[in-house]
Amino acid sequence: GEDVEQSLFLSVREGDSSVINCTYTDSSSTYLYWYKQEPGAGLQLLTYIFSNMDMKQDQRLTVLLNKKDKHLSLRIADTQTGDSAIYFCAERLPGSTLGRLYFGRGTQLTVWP
Amino acid sequence: EAGVVQSPRYKIIEKKQPVAFWCNPISGHNTLYWYLQNLGQGPELLIRYENEEAVDDSQLPKDRFSAERLKGVDSTLKIQPAELGDSAVYLCASSLDWRDTQYFGPGTRLTVL
Repeated sequence: GEDVEQSLFLSVREGDSSVINCTYTDSSSTYLYWYKQEPGAGLQLLTYIFSNMDMKQDQRLTVLLNKKDKHLSLRIADTQTGDSAIYFCAERLPGSTLGRLYFGRGTQLTVWP
Repeated sequence: EAGVVQSPRYKIIEKKQPVAFWCNPISGHNTLYWYLQNLGQGPELLIRYENEEAVDDSQLPKDRFSAERLKGVDSTLKIQPAELGDSAVYLCASSLDWRDTQYFGPGTRLTVL
């Protein structure tokens, strides 16, 4: 669970869609999360998906889960400049580390006007 | 409803000095977490409390770090003595219980000179 991987940077134009990708390590992970962090701020929960789901949509956000490949993605439709931030993927494992989240290094999303 | 409150937001100290961080979780949340976020990294769990009991502190460097949650509500994280490598953001999070979504505070940014 300690090797959740994300690409570090993504740049898009305002109005385009953004897709942020994440590879997690444990197929028994129960929940997978996306958090957003703006400069100088804490982490804001965006959305989460349970491991028995393939997709979850919440307004402009779409989460896709491919359990076979341990791949998670976050699609932001009609990306706005206010979406510029760092996006963290996190997995929660069952077992002795109940409740512990393992985070990736974060993807810095830059939205150009 | 108020979110997770942390203070101070920023702290600058000289090495070998003690420092303490305070966290007030969301009302009714039994589980409280302290995370360490180094620059360019995702958060890593230091300690998790269920009410006043520390149930996951395997990542807490116990030679210099200590934490308490005496009445099962507020929590304090202490470093004594601080080292240069302790410069980071210390995040507090809370959840209803260990199975529930974690909500993060704004963090305390520590700089050790």
